[in-house]
Amino acid sequence: ETGVTQTPRHLVMGMTNKKSLKCEQHLGHNAMYWYKQSAKKPLELMFVYSLEERVENNSVPSRFSPECPNSSHLFLHLHTLQPEDSALYLCASSDRGITEAFFGQGTRLTVV
Amino acid sequence: QKEVEQNSGPLSVPEGAIASLNCTYSDRGSQSFFWYRQYSGKSPELIMFIYSNGDKEDGRFTAQLNKASQYVSLLIRDSQPSDSATYLCAVKKLTGGGNKLTFGTGTQLKVEL
Repeated sequence: ETGVTQTPRHLVMGMTNKKSLKCEQHLGHNAMYWYKQSAKKPLELMFVYSLEERVENNSVPSRFSPECPNSSHLFLHLHTLQPEDSALYLCASSDRGITEAFFGQGTRLTVV
Repeated sequence: QKEVEQNSGPLSVPEGAIASLNCTYSDRGSQSFFWYRQYSGKSPELIMFIYSNGDKEDGRFTAQLNKASQYVSLLIRDSQPSDSATYLCAVKKLTGGGNKLTFGTGTQLKVEL
């Protein structure tokens, strides 16, 4: 596989469920990102990991918990979500330098 | 002030015309600038990046950067209906911990037949 891969592509979960989103990059990058994109809203940066350390956390509610076990994998653990958390969740990766970021295909999350 | 600002549009241009998309940013420490295209329901895909002042051309696309005025633009020549999408401007700054890539709200482009 090449590029940035996200699983699952679609997820429907209840407010009491616990689920995890997975992102894997095969580009040799050392920075990974989680973005949230709600309907008709801009991309919101949630978390940034650089060299496996979290370097950015944009006031995201604690019901979202990121994990970066190594430079190729990034997870977003979800628990007790709210309906307003329904959105497209995008993972991206880049080098630590000034180069571009590449996105995965996203996970369409619906909270019911 | 938003870190990255774009007019949300929609910007409508006729087929074959030049589409001009603009973006301003607030942080003078920003070091690299990107244009992404996003079709509805899809993830953003990179079109162009630019690091230095001036113009950079790639096929029908030209990115322009003016760091003194803190703006970056994207010109699309010979616009096609397939160019209809939302165009996202992104700005990258290296922080002490690594990276910060910030996006604008995007400009919706409609190319009309």
